[in-house]
Amino acid sequence: RKEVEQDPGPFNVPEGATVAFNCTYSNSASQSFFWYRQDCRKEPKLLMSVYSSGNEDGRFTAQLNRASQYISLLIRDSKLSDSATYLCVVNGGPNSNYQLIWGAGTKLIIKP
Amino acid sequence: DTEVTQTPKHLVMGMTNKKSLKCEQHMGHRAMYWYKQKAKKPPELMFVYSYEKLSINESVPSRFSPECPNSSLLNLHLHALQPEDSALYLCASSQDRSGVLREQYFGPGTRLTVT
Repeated sequence: RKEVEQDPGPFNVPEGATVAFNCTYSNSASQSFFWYRQDCRKEPKLLMSVYSSGNEDGRFTAQLNRASQYISLLIRDSKLSDSATYLCVVNGGPNSNYQLIWGAGTKLIIKP
Repeated sequence: DTEVTQTPKHLVMGMTNKKSLKCEQHMGHRAMYWYKQKAKKPPELMFVYSYEKLSINESVPSRFSPECPNSSLLNLHLHALQPEDSALYLCASSQDRSGVLREQYFGPGTRLTVT
């Protein structure tokens, strides 16, 4: 089983729709969780850190479910500019302070 | 300001060349990272520096040699690379707060082609 698993997609979604991605992780000791977005041939950019109570930033909502070991990202009222690859990132646990474990990414395509 | 800068943006080098990649951050971060990313794959960690000391080397071949001259700068020296080393090389930095992994911020990367 991969340490961090994501559906690679692509998710083809009409503009204005709501889309959600899940990501599962295998290490129950993981403490930090992030969503990054990456545009083609660009660097990953931090979208959101995911906190235990869940958090919202404008049209984006991230949730953490520790019992089931998954995090989710919800995008409301999707825009063409949301088209990107979304990377789920989890730290390796208390003994891996600098190790981020990256999912393979979910590709999102927003269609007009 | 969450800016991490990297130079050069693009680099083409032969297998016998020696070149260096440079990274700079002015966020006061004390941890800096080198990653390698191939097309359609997530970034792969290569090296981690914490307080200017190398703390993680992910079994990277010796043809890649990192250097951290000070807390704001990170270099990656390249020598005798192979064509399969062609990739996007990303530098990142984060605060280094003991016991808690902080968000990492990435530079735009250097796209390296080895011929």
